[in-house]
Amino acid sequence: QVQLQESGPGLVKPSETLSLTCTVSGSSFTIFYWTWIRQSPGKGLEWIGSLSDTGTPNYNPSFNNRVSMSRDTSKSQFSLRLTSVTVADTAIYYCARGRGTYSWGRGILVTVSS
Amino acid sequence: DVVMTQSPLSLSVTPGEPASISCRSSQSLLHDNRHTYLDWYLQRPGQSPQLLIFLTSNRASGVPDRFSGSGSGADFTLEISRVEAEDVGVYFCMQSLQTPHTFGQGTRLDI
Repeated sequence: QVQLQESGPGLVKPSETLSLTCTVSGSSFTIFYWTWIRQSPGKGLEWIGSLSDTGTPNYNPSFNNRVSMSRDTSKSQFSLRLTSVTVADTAIYYCARGRGTYSWGRGILVTVSS
Repeated sequence: DVVMTQSPLSLSVTPGEPASISCRSSQSLLHDNRHTYLDWYLQRPGQSPQLLIFLTSNRASGVPDRFSGSGSGADFTLEISRVEAEDVGVYFCMQSLQTPHTFGQGTRLDI
């Protein structure tokens, strides 16, 4: 059974960059899509973007080019970078496997505050 | 983006009674491959969402058969035939026909 674990700072200052990593176990890595989703009281669940099985990214345009994703297949990890954060980026960030029909990690709360 | 609208937003059900949640999308979720890309998730208190139903009507592994999904085009329903205490939480529909994938607002089910 796949397990996904998010890691990274729980507190980020406004205007700085949010960086998270998802470590995958119990699953083949290079045959699946890998996705980031966030959840906040104000906006609900938001799809941030995904990496295809070949590593090609697909981002949500609503993030205005602030998002980038990458992967390290040797470590079965994939990462999220979100630049120029504001308080509106405060959310629980989930990593997930799939291109729909998701298997989710437990999530990590990231607070943007000075 | 495809807009997903759920109703009701909250539901209080007596154990053993049925429950029904509606989800409507702003456009048809039917793909040329004849699959309809609508999933249902349950988020129990303090947990991440878990998959209940995929491609409109297919129960995920381990999901009790009291859960069923139906619908077509842009109109979908999740039904619980007999609600149990463990069904408490927030139910979300999600479309994965096109990116960005989008979610309904969620329906909170209480006992």
